[in-house]
Amino acid sequence: GNSVTQMEGPVTLSEEAFLTINCTYTATGYPSLFWYVQYPGEGLQLLLKATKADDKGSNKGFEATYRKETTSFHLEKGSVQVSDSAVYFCALSQTGANNLFFGTGTRLTVIP
Amino acid sequence: ETGVTQTPRHLVMGMTNKKSLKCEQHLGHNAMYWYKQSAKKPLELMFVYNFKEQTENNSVPSRFSPECPNSSHLFLHLHTLQPEDSALYLCASSPAAGERSNTEAFFGQGTRLTVV
Repeated sequence: GNSVTQMEGPVTLSEEAFLTINCTYTATGYPSLFWYVQYPGEGLQLLLKATKADDKGSNKGFEATYRKETTSFHLEKGSVQVSDSAVYFCALSQTGANNLFFGTGTRLTVIP
Repeated sequence: ETGVTQTPRHLVMGMTNKKSLKCEQHLGHNAMYWYKQSAKKPLELMFVYNFKEQTENNSVPSRFSPECPNSSHLFLHLHTLQPEDSALYLCASSPAAGERSNTEAFFGQGTRLTVV
């Protein structure tokens, strides 16, 4: 079946620290992979995506590379800001499935 | 602005009330979804509509009743809810669900529901 396993939080970092949030997946075939972000009081927003192996998605300084050999899609940012404080969700979409499959979310807090 | 609008943003209702949540998308998508987000729990898919037909009901209690009159609008009718139904209810849309698509979904800002 399809599933996403995400690093549990919460994660607290100082401003300008390096961020990694791990995400691994289980899927048949060739899924698309996504990172969504949820700011306080808001819905989910797409942060970045990758649709095939070795693709790198990037946005707002965040990056994630689709690694088929390790079934991973880890989220990274070189220097976090206070405004990056949010909950981050890894997800996959599978042709033939009715649904996005989400990880449990990782809460990131960045302190000045 | 994601192109998906949910109303109301906040709702407080008693256990005997009947209320409805509304979702509208302006993206020309054909699939719409209801998700429930509770504190400290994973995002739960509730219902999927694809081309106005319900294609998934994820074992949701009958006190939640969805309605999809057209591809742009989705409702969630609520009646005799319980306090444990308090949560953030998120609507999403995508170009299509199932075999036609593996693209991302676009989410509304959610309705924060409190059942008292």
